[in-house]
Amino acid sequence: NAGVTQTPKFQVLKTGQSMTLQCAQDMNHNSMYWYRQDPGMGLRLIYYSASEGTTDKGEVPNGYNVSRLNKREFSLRLESAAPSQTSVYFCASSLAGRTDTQYFGPGTRLTVL
Amino acid sequence: AQSVAQPEDQVNVAEGNPLTVKCTYSVSGNPYLFWYVQYPNRGLQFLLKYITGDNLVKGSYGFEAEFNKSQTSFHLKKPSALVSDSALYFCAVSPLRGGTSYGKLTFGQGTILTVHP
Repeated sequence: NAGVTQTPKFQVLKTGQSMTLQCAQDMNHNSMYWYRQDPGMGLRLIYYSASEGTTDKGEVPNGYNVSRLNKREFSLRLESAAPSQTSVYFCASSLAGRTDTQYFGPGTRLTVL
Repeated sequence: AQSVAQPEDQVNVAEGNPLTVKCTYSVSGNPYLFWYVQYPNRGLQFLLKYITGDNLVKGSYGFEAEFNKSQTSFHLKKPSALVSDSALYFCAVSPLRGGTSYGKLTFGQGTILTVHP
């Protein structure tokens, strides 16, 4: 099993450009999450999907959109990138529920110039 | 609102010595608590969690954590540190309420653990 995979690993954008970060899991998990990691701030939840067909905002959703394409895949889109979105983005998945362990992907390092 | 605090940005310890990485939390009612570790340029890896039951939780790589409700703490410990334990450690809490709050973790800011040979 590959676990949680993310593409791309690195990306550089100019302000105003758009891009989609891809995430897939092969653990048959119901819930999927997108986080951003910034120095000294831990991880902050951007969006999550409790189950296929549902999505909801997390702590810092502004400037992002998500799509739960199917049970395996959960993408994060930046419609018009801003320098404040320079960060490392992590996707995670869990079986379901608040006591279940979340498993994380390797991350995407995004720089917006 | 729930929150997690890791009061030390950095912890330094000599190899072979015991280590402690501190975590305190603020939630209403009973929390679900987690520890994750992040090695350089990698994703987070699960170490252990407290859901209910025994206050001492044992996890991966010889780590353990003690849930202390009166002190609202969940400190991570290891009896004998290894150089390979050097990494960034995160404490996290899962919300108490059910409904649509599926697994939404709130993370602390992280503690860099450095184990010196």
